Amino acid sequence: GAGVSQSPSNKVTEKGKDVELRCDPISGHTALYWYRQSLGQGLEFLIYFQGNSAPDKSGLPSDRFSAERTGGSVSTLTIQRTQQEDSAVYLCASSPLAGTGPWEKLFFGSGTQLSVL
Amino acid sequence: AQSVAQPEDQVNVAEGNPLTVKCTYSVSGNPYLFWYVQYPNRGLQFLLKYITGDNLVKGSYGFEAEFNKSQTSFHLKKPSALVSDSALYFCAVRDNSGYSTLTFGKGTMLLVSP
Repeated sequence: GAGVSQSPSNKVTEKGKDVELRCDPISGHTALYWYRQSLGQGLEFLIYFQGNSAPDKSGLPSDRFSAERTGGSVSTLTIQRTQQEDSAVYLCASSPLAGTGPWEKLFFGSGTQLSVL
Repeated sequence: AQSVAQPEDQVNVAEGNPLTVKCTYSVSGNPYLFWYVQYPNRGLQFLLKYITGDNLVKGSYGFEAEFNKSQTSFHLKKPSALVSDSALYFCAVRDNSGYSTLTFGKGTMLLVSP
C-alpha cells in the first residue's frame, strides 16, 4: 500500500474485554514499531520488531499487552482484560531499515483510537 | 536512559512572525535528533533530523532546527509562520551507540493565528 495502514481506526470496548489492533506496514519495511499516544503523555514506546522477532519489548506496560508479527509484514497488538487506563491512540510505524541506522525515518499510520468504558 | 523535554505545551504565534519550538535532550552518547509533526486527524510525519555535521539542519516546509551540544538543545524554528503550520510537534532522540529506541517528547501544540 501507499502508507502504513491501521485498523480499526476507532475501537470502543468494555472494561475486561480483549482487543486486537492491526498494523499493515509499508511493503518491504523490515522494522515495525508500536507506540501509544495519551493526552499529555506524548508518545510512549511499546515494542519494536525486526522482521518477525521482537528484540525490544521493554515498553509493554504489563503482561496484558502482547504483540506478534507474521511474514515480516502484518502486526497485531493484543490487549487482554482491558482497563480504562488503556484508553489511548495506538500508533504503528515502519521503517525500511534494520532499526539501527541513525538516518532511520519512521513512517506512521493514522492510529487506532481505543476507548475503554 | 535517554529522554526528551519539550517545556511548552503550547506555542502561540501570529502569521508572518518567526516561531521557535523548544526541545532539550539527554542521552549517554552522541545524539541523533528528530522532529516530527502531527497534523489534525493525520499520522506523524518526519520533518527533519540531525545526525552529524552542520549544527543548522533544514527540513520540510521551511522549518529548520539548531543543534546546540553545550545546551543539549535542538530547537525547531521557522522565519515566518503560516496558519497551516498549526499542528502538534514532537522532538525525538536516540543514542548513536548501537540499537536504541526512538524516544519522543510529550509534544508541543503550535497555534498560528491569522
